[in-house]
Amino acid sequence: AQTVTQSQPEMSVQEAETVTLSCTYDTSESDYYLFWYKQPPSRQMILVIRQEAYKQQNATENRFSVNFQKAAKSFSLKISDSQLGDAAMYFCAYRSEYSGAGSYQLTFGKGTKLSVIP
Amino acid sequence: EPEVTQTPSHQVTQMGQEVILRCVPISNHLYFYWYRQILGQKVEFLVSFYNNEISEKSEIFDDQFSVERPDGSNFTLKIRSTKLEDSAMYFCASSFYYEQYFGPGTRLTVT
Repeated sequence: AQTVTQSQPEMSVQEAETVTLSCTYDTSESDYYLFWYKQPPSRQMILVIRQEAYKQQNATENRFSVNFQKAAKSFSLKISDSQLGDAAMYFCAYRSEYSGAGSYQLTFGKGTKLSVIP
Repeated sequence: EPEVTQTPSHQVTQMGQEVILRCVPISNHLYFYWYRQILGQKVEFLVSFYNNEISEKSEIFDDQFSVERPDGSNFTLKIRSTKLEDSAMYFCASSFYYEQYFGPGTRLTVT
């Protein structure tokens, strides 16, 4: 079974600065997907970014980028030019590439609470 | 932009009562999921649904739980006899393939 570990329960960043959230995972699979989800106080889960394991290029979405190290099984999220609206819980999640059962459920880490200081 | 919707946003029920949580997934999606998040904890997978049947379920999803997609648009989660420990946020999600899109959640409080 896959596991996802987020070792930083809480982080803080000054507005306009850059912060990196860590995630490691354990899997025996070679093909999979990794995601970062944001959960603001409203508790809605919002997809931030996706990375395919077969891609060497790190994914980028505006101010959000990842550092994907497949051999190290590491998947960190970098937020540049942090804004007050970035304050939220951030969850790292893993999904297998293949499923004979027609299920692609996500396995989540415990989350990192990010605070943005004005 | 299409989105997943869930009703109600908050449900309070007494222990032992049945509850039905409702979801309307994004219309062209093929895979449907329920997840649970107990306050302060991580999001946990409950069940997945594909091709009109359960494709996988977790240990949490015992005989007290059931899911249905009765009319091709709604996707429901039923808890037959609620327990105090069922108090949590319940998220519905749907996907076409790669990315799962989550609804806003239903907060279930069992008293």
